Amino acid sequence: GAGVSQSPRYKVAKRGQDVALRCDPISGHVSLFWYQQALGQGPEFLTYFQNEAQLDKSGLPSDRFFAERPEGSVSTLKIQRTQQEDSAVYLCASSFGATGEAYGYTFGSGTRLTVV
Amino acid sequence: KNQVEQSPQSLIILEGKNCTLQCNYTVSPFSNLRWYKQDTGRGPVSLTIMTFSENTKSNGRYTATLDADTKQSSLHITASQLSDSASYICVVSLNTGGFKTIFGAGTRLFVKA
Repeated sequence: GAGVSQSPRYKVAKRGQDVALRCDPISGHVSLFWYQQALGQGPEFLTYFQNEAQLDKSGLPSDRFFAERPEGSVSTLKIQRTQQEDSAVYLCASSFGATGEAYGYTFGSGTRLTVV
Repeated sequence: KNQVEQSPQSLIILEGKNCTLQCNYTVSPFSNLRWYKQDTGRGPVSLTIMTFSENTKSNGRYTATLDADTKQSSLHITASQLSDSASYICVVSLNTGGFKTIFGAGTRLFVKA
């Protein structure tokens, strides 16, 4: 597609509910990143995929967070048993290159998750 | 500790005026520094990217500078427009052969008529 598409744009979840956030990267982009952005803060790294391989998940805040990219294109970030501190905007970014250094990242508009 | 700090936290200017946003970093080993513009409710969009050897880069009314010795960067916006109202985020990448990036918290710019 023309850009990185994320869905849903907004999600309200009751505490304890599981949620799944979807990211459609730009077609052909090798690298895919997930970031968490709290209100008034810069994005913080969650995890990185190169094609279908999850090369780094060091930023995932707990084992309630799980990400996958089974076919090397669409990715899903799943949060189990949501807590109020999970409320944030979840941004997805993709890059043509393996590291993104040369080509930069294209961000989606994010999914705003509110846990009540 | 790898950190990126931006100042001011927020800024209000009148349309047509210039402004300068600051970014200080303690990231090592340094690879490159990017400035992003993030409109409300949107993802960040890249404005400029500079490597170690570059000390200035322009993109229209945006001019970024980099001093790798003092580990400081600035983003200068000339003749501001209402559409410049956004958050401006400084992002530093580590030269570790991978993808590690450190984001600043951003400067929230409000341009008023």
